[in-house]
Amino acid sequence: EAAVTQSPRSKVAVTGGKVTLSCHQTNNHDYMYWYRQDTGHGLRLIHYSYVADSTEKGDIPDGYKASRPSQENFSLILELASLSQTAVYFCASSERGPEVFFGKGTRLTVV
Amino acid sequence: GQGVEQPDNLMSVEGTFARVNCTYSTSGFNGLSWYQQREGHAPVFLSYVVLDGLKDSGHFSTFLSRSNGYSYLLLTELQIKDSASYLCAVRGTSGGNYKPTFGKGTSLVVHP
Repeated sequence: EAAVTQSPRSKVAVTGGKVTLSCHQTNNHDYMYWYRQDTGHGLRLIHYSYVADSTEKGDIPDGYKASRPSQENFSLILELASLSQTAVYFCASSERGPEVFFGKGTRLTVV
Repeated sequence: GQGVEQPDNLMSVEGTFARVNCTYSTSGFNGLSWYQQREGHAPVFLSYVVLDGLKDSGHFSTFLSRSNGYSYLLLTELQIKDSASYLCAVRGTSGGNYKPTFGKGTSLVVHP
C-alpha cells in the first residue's frame, strides 16, 4: 500500500529557531508536495518537487525552503521559525495520475 | 493562477443527500478531485473527474462542467459517519508539471 511517512508528528519550536520537517515515501512516486493547513485557509501548497534534486515554489513559499535529495525523501525547512508558521503540515506524493497520497501530518507549534 | 472556492459549512439529515459545491478558475485544467478529511486525519482521495457530466460511483457521485468552472460532490443515503470535511482540488499545470490546488473544504454535518 502507498505510504508517506512524516517525522516528527508534532513539534514545539522557539521563535527564530530552525525547524526541519521530514517526509519519506515508499510509493516510488515522482511528485512530492508540502502543504500547510490552517483553520479558514484549507490546504495551501508551499513547495513541491517532480524530480530528485529539484524543487519548485508553490503558492506560499516565503519563509520556507525545501530539499529533495532523493526520490523517496522531501524535507521542509524553516530557517527562522515565526509564530505565523504554527500550523499542521502535510507531505504528500503522487504519480502523474490524479490521486494524491498524504502523510498523517505534523503539528507544529511555534512559541 | 488557480483559485478554488467552496462553501464553509453544510448540514443535512441522515438518510437524505448532500451536495457539496466547488467553483474553480485555472489555466491548463487537468481534472478535479474530491477528498474526504476527518477531524485530525489526512485527506483521503474519493473521486476524480476530467470530462463534463455526472460520474456515478455509488455512495459518491461527482459532476463537472468545465465551461462553467463548476463541480459538485453528491453524497446519497447519508450516514452519520459521512460527517467530515470535503475538499475539492483542481489539477493545473505549471511549466508542464502537475500542481494540485485545494479549496478550503466544506464541513458537512449529518444530523440524525
